[in-house]
Amino acid sequence: GDSVTQMEGPVTLSEEAFLTINCTYTATGYPSLFWYVQYPGEGLQLLLKATKADDKGSNKGFEATYRKETTSFHLEKGSVQVSDSAVYFCALTGAGGYQKVTFGTGTKLQVIP
Amino acid sequence: DADVTQTPRNRITKTGKRIMLECSQTKGHDRMYWYRQDPGLGLRLIYYSFDVKDINKGEISDGYSVSRQAQAKFSLSLESAIPNQTALYFCATSESGYNSPLHFGNGTRLTVT
Repeated sequence: GDSVTQMEGPVTLSEEAFLTINCTYTATGYPSLFWYVQYPGEGLQLLLKATKADDKGSNKGFEATYRKETTSFHLEKGSVQVSDSAVYFCALTGAGGYQKVTFGTGTKLQVIP
Repeated sequence: DADVTQTPRNRITKTGKRIMLECSQTKGHDRMYWYRQDPGLGLRLIYYSFDVKDINKGEISDGYSVSRQAQAKFSLSLESAIPNQTALYFCATSESGYNSPLHFGNGTRLTVT
């Protein structure tokens, strides 16, 4: 079945540091890929998505590129802020039938001033 | 006001009690979902519904039941709560169609003692 593997957290960075959170996936066909963010005490919200190979999703300074050859969708941001502290989830929607969403286990990011 | 509202936000109950978690949405989406979040396990799907008359089991439906009272309302019941159902529960909605992202409520933290 489909699966998503994220780097273990927590990740602690200083403000203005470069962020990479690794995500790799296993899926049949051509899944769509998502990053969701969960701020403390809230539900998940969509951060960005990409629906086909080589697509780049971007939002709020975050970017991720759909790499089919390496089955990866790594999240990057050039300069993190304290307000980016949250848990980040990589997810995919499989092809065909009911498009079940498969989530990674989440990566907690803490940004310190 | 939140587009996806869950009640209660927190609940403590005893083993063997029946409990209902409620979800309502103003987004006009046909699809509604219940997820469970546990540390280190990501999100797991309990039940999903594509319309009022279409309800389906997810990957961990044992011990749970649902009711879709209207397009905007989807409730989750634990018939006889047990301690390993202690978790954070999320309701989500989505539009129909491939690639549609999920929209989450703020969650219900359930503790079963």
